[in-house]
Amino acid sequence: AQKVTQAQTEISVVEKEDVTLDCVYETRDTTYYLFWYKQPPSGELVFLIRRNSFDEQNEISGRYSWNFQKSTSSFNFTITASQVVDSAVYFCALSDRGSTLGRLYFGRGTQLTVWP
Amino acid sequence: EAGVAQSPRYKIIEKRQSVAFWCNPISGHATLYWYQQILGQGPKLLIQFQNNGVVDDSQLPKDRFSAERLKGVDSTLKIQPAKLEDSAVYLCASSPGLAGVEETQYFGPGTRLLVL
Repeated sequence: AQKVTQAQTEISVVEKEDVTLDCVYETRDTTYYLFWYKQPPSGELVFLIRRNSFDEQNEISGRYSWNFQKSTSSFNFTITASQVVDSAVYFCALSDRGSTLGRLYFGRGTQLTVWP
Repeated sequence: EAGVAQSPRYKIIEKRQSVAFWCNPISGHATLYWYQQILGQGPKLLIQFQNNGVVDDSQLPKDRFSAERLKGVDSTLKIQPAKLEDSAVYLCASSPGLAGVEETQYFGPGTRLLVL
């Protein structure tokens, strides 16, 4: 069965602090994709990154970085020097071949609040 | 490039009434998804279309929910009759290719439904 766990329900930081959002996933498939989405108060889910199961290289995009470790089934997301605009709910999601192709399984999300 | 469009953005109805949501995906996208997001949870797939055919509707409460995607472009999701537990955000997403594990889904702003 597919499952995504985001154990941190809420995180609060002060601007310029670094923050890491945790994501642990479960799948029996060897081919799968992991995603991170950002949901600001406006409600729209904004795509941030996609990573396939065969690529364990860490990714950096500006202040954002992602650490994928198959050994621990984790795909963690770090924001460096956080800003107030980073305040949002962040979702980790999984897609595999175990059920309908393209179906995303989401975690419950982590509410990040960045205070000025 | 225009994103996924949804309307209305907000809807308040009384239980047992009917309601319909509309979604226009990104131009040229073959696959369209409807998700239900209950407060405090991640989105859950209701139905997935590939062009104008249904790929997966296993999570759709078919006694009250229906959806169609005529001509393989825009789509409508209907609830009739609505129950209190249908209060949620209904998100539409689309992806460029045919349903696949690697497809990135792009989301619209959602419709917030409140059933009284």
